This record gives sequence, structure tokens and C-alpha cells, in this order.
Amino acid sequence: ETGVTQSPTHLIKTRGQQVTLRCSSQSGHNTVSWYQQALGQGPQFIFQYYREEENGRGNFPPRFSGLQFPNYSSELNVNALELDDSALYLCASSLVGQGGPTEAFFGQGTRLTVV
Amino acid sequence: DAKTTQPTSMDCAEGRAANLPCNHSTISGNEYVYWYRQIHSQGPQYIIHGLKNNETNEMASLIITEDRKSSTLILPHATLRDTAVYYCIVRVANSNSGYALNFGKGTSLLVTP
Repeated sequence: ETGVTQSPTHLIKTRGQQVTLRCSSQSGHNTVSWYQQALGQGPQFIFQYYREEENGRGNFPPRFSGLQFPNYSSELNVNALELDDSALYLCASSLVGQGGPTEAFFGQGTRLTVV
Repeated sequence: DAKTTQPTSMDCAEGRAANLPCNHSTISGNEYVYWYRQIHSQGPQYIIHGLKNNETNEMASLIITEDRKSSTLILPHATLRDTAVYYCIVRVANSNSGYALNFGKGTSLLVTP
């Protein structure tokens, strides 16, 4: 158990719809990152949030967006869903301080299926 | 961040040491070597990280060559529960920009009875 929780665990959406995934970070952590993992591939970095602002982004289109709340929990929103968005979405939290970031702790992920 | 190269897959007998290699020939002086693993259908799990000295914790040992161009993760007594995909990642760990990890494809380790 890492203390990072994601909801829901599984989700089925129709192409063109919008989806919101949620993540509660580990207590004391102030940074949340999101990753997409397609079947048989390693996780791909989407973006990260630090102090409620996006602070780094991978090669994902603007229809992938997010929020971080004052309690450091986070949401990942995906608009205009495409079939290729079907994947495991992972959330990771870490603590960024003067000494740099601690190791990241991952949640169990949300399995999104777009049909 | 520097790119890493790992074998696609490896086998190891239960109870024996599993030695997982990683090449990172373009690593910079301020980049650390991190290892994560991912057991099927679970989120990645942090194992260990190091800069230039060898490191050991309750899960594994990390051996980094003197020129830092390669490293080896050692699981001293592999169990069936160590069957997973192991990712070697190189990144700067002293940046306040946070924690983007480039996972690559990793090494699929199969521990057999």
C-alpha cells in the first residue's frame, strides 16, 4: 500500500465522451504526476502538478488536462475520447522540497476502455 | 534525461540472485539511476536509486560502474513474487520541476520454481 488512491478502478466510455479520473496523493506529498500506460508498453508521462499549477508536460494533446487542489489531490480530464485513449492511467505522488523530489509512489491505476 | 537500454526479458530460478543490467552510456554528472518494478496489473513500485556509490536497501542492491555508464540491480534471493517488469530510469533528482519518469520498456523478469 502506497497511500495513493485512484478512482474509479475501471471505466468504460464511448468515443467522443469526456472523462474525469481522480487521485488522492500520499499524506505529506505536494506533487502529483499522471501517466498513461497502453497494453504491453511502459508508462508514458502526461503531466505533473506542483502547488496547483502544471509543472511539466509530456507529448500529449491539450484535450488532456488536469487540476490539483489545495489538499494536493488531483484530477485528470480527457475530452473527445478516442479509441487509442484506452489504457491504464496511473497517478504518482512525491514530495518536492529544497533537496529535490523524493521517490514517486504510484496508485493502482484506473483502467479506461473507450468503445 | 539520458536514455537507458535493458534486455527485453530474463529468467531466474527461485532462491538464486537475479542480476538485471542497464546501460546508460549518455548519463550526465547530475543524473541519478532509479529502478522501479511493475507487477502485473499494479502500479509501479520504487525499488532503489543511486548516483555513483553502490546502494543497498531491504529490497535490492544497486551496483553502478565507476564510469557510471552502466548499472546492475541485484535481487539477492529471488522469489516467485519478484516476477515483474523492471524499469531502469535515469533522471535529474535535484530539480524542483518535479518528477517526470521516462520508463522505457523495461526487463520482464520471470522467476521460476
